[in-house]
Amino acid sequence: ETGVTQTPRHLVMGMTNKKSLKCEQHLGHNAMYWYKQSAKKPLELMFVYSLEERVENNSVPSRFSPECPNSSHLFLHLHTLQPEDSALYLCASSQEVGAGFSYEQYFGPGTRLTVT
Amino acid sequence: RKEVEQDPGPFNVPEGATVAFNCTYSNSASQSFFWYRQDCRKEPKLLMSVYSSGNEDGRFTAQLNRASQYISLLIRDSKLSDSATYLCVVNSRSGGFKTIFGAGTRLFVKA
Repeated sequence: ETGVTQTPRHLVMGMTNKKSLKCEQHLGHNAMYWYKQSAKKPLELMFVYSLEERVENNSVPSRFSPECPNSSHLFLHLHTLQPEDSALYLCASSQEVGAGFSYEQYFGPGTRLTVT
Repeated sequence: RKEVEQDPGPFNVPEGATVAFNCTYSNSASQSFFWYRQDCRKEPKLLMSVYSSGNEDGRFTAQLNRASQYISLLIRDSKLSDSATYLCVVNSRSGGFKTIFGAGTRLFVKA
């Protein structure tokens, strides 16, 4: 399935590095999301974008910086991360941002990030 | 109290068994509900939406009880391939958009 793609699939970075995660959706959706999934914890919503505008930022540390240049692409820029930031980072998209049944989210395969 | 709570797993069932999962939510203003399935080291995939009238898709039946604030997922005639983690998701618009995932219930179906 190629509805939502993410690169890279795996990333190992040092605490002083700067890297970026990329997400692209081919579903014609207007909303995109970043989630963090740590071991044995529920998915945590980090950021939500609707038509390139950020609509939600769930108290995420500033070392995570999202960018949405258009409705098909979403980036997560990383800098000076901590070992506890090691997790699976998932991107998702939906038709719109909303709480209705039409707005189910479709996920990419994720980037497994390890911070050393 | 967590906003979304699921049955603690894991559930270990034989092939052909019927298994049911529950998920409770605390926000009475919640508007939409979903079940996702997540295989080990993979992304969550939408299994089904949960409508007020209940809905069925093959061996899977989802129910919503707004009065008691819970949703359920019933799997009949379990297959080995049903082994996965099942996540409930609750969306609301009160106080801004919120989508809350449960911690998941692990299911093992054994031959």
